[in-house]
Amino acid sequence: EAGVAQSPRYKIIEKRQSVAFWCNPISGHATLYWYQQILGQGPKLLIQFQNNGVVDDSQLPKDRFSAERLKGVDSTLKIQPAKLEDSAVYLCASSFGQGARGDEKLFFGSGTQLSVL
Amino acid sequence: AQRVTQPEKLLSVFKGAPVELKCNYSYSGSPELFWYVQYSRQRLQLLLRHISRESIKGFTADLNKGETSFHLKKPFAQEEDSAMYYCALMPGGYNKLIFGAGTRLAVHP
Repeated sequence: EAGVAQSPRYKIIEKRQSVAFWCNPISGHATLYWYQQILGQGPKLLIQFQNNGVVDDSQLPKDRFSAERLKGVDSTLKIQPAKLEDSAVYLCASSFGQGARGDEKLFFGSGTQLSVL
Repeated sequence: AQRVTQPEKLLSVFKGAPVELKCNYSYSGSPELFWYVQYSRQRLQLLLRHISRESIKGFTADLNKGETSFHLKKPFAQEEDSAMYYCALMPGGYNKLIFGAGTRLAVHP
């Protein structure tokens, strides 16, 4: 099956600039996640969508980060303005979203590596 | 607080040696636990989940609720096991994963 697609693969920007990342989940997957992975740390959930509704955005810095999933398919994550500490890999993942709790398997994209200078 | 702790950043062993990657969790409810793996230049992918009680690529993991641990074990390490391993907790509700910081396993010939 086709995997989770993310673009761009790499992005270098200066602080205070804006940036956007795009994710296309596996076809038919209802749940979509954006994770932030800072070097040396595990992935941290930023936002979770179920279809086009937000399920959890408790760790999303809403003053600068925004995300949308129009039509319940692909999604965009935006940072405006970027800070130095936003340098990280941004991972998108999707899951079928209909299974029993704990039985869900997350499929990850290759990630976007962001460097803020 | 919901937290996953992997105390070792790096575990270095020789081929054929036993491997144990440690994972401890903090969660007040009934936990669902997973191990994810990332091989060099590949995507993060599921290795195994505790509810399946399965062995994947020779790896097993047993949930110990008394010690709040979910250690990953393999009796004889292979060079192709070299990768980053992440332990993850799925709390109740909406299937989100809380990851540990990861342990890099290096298997030397």
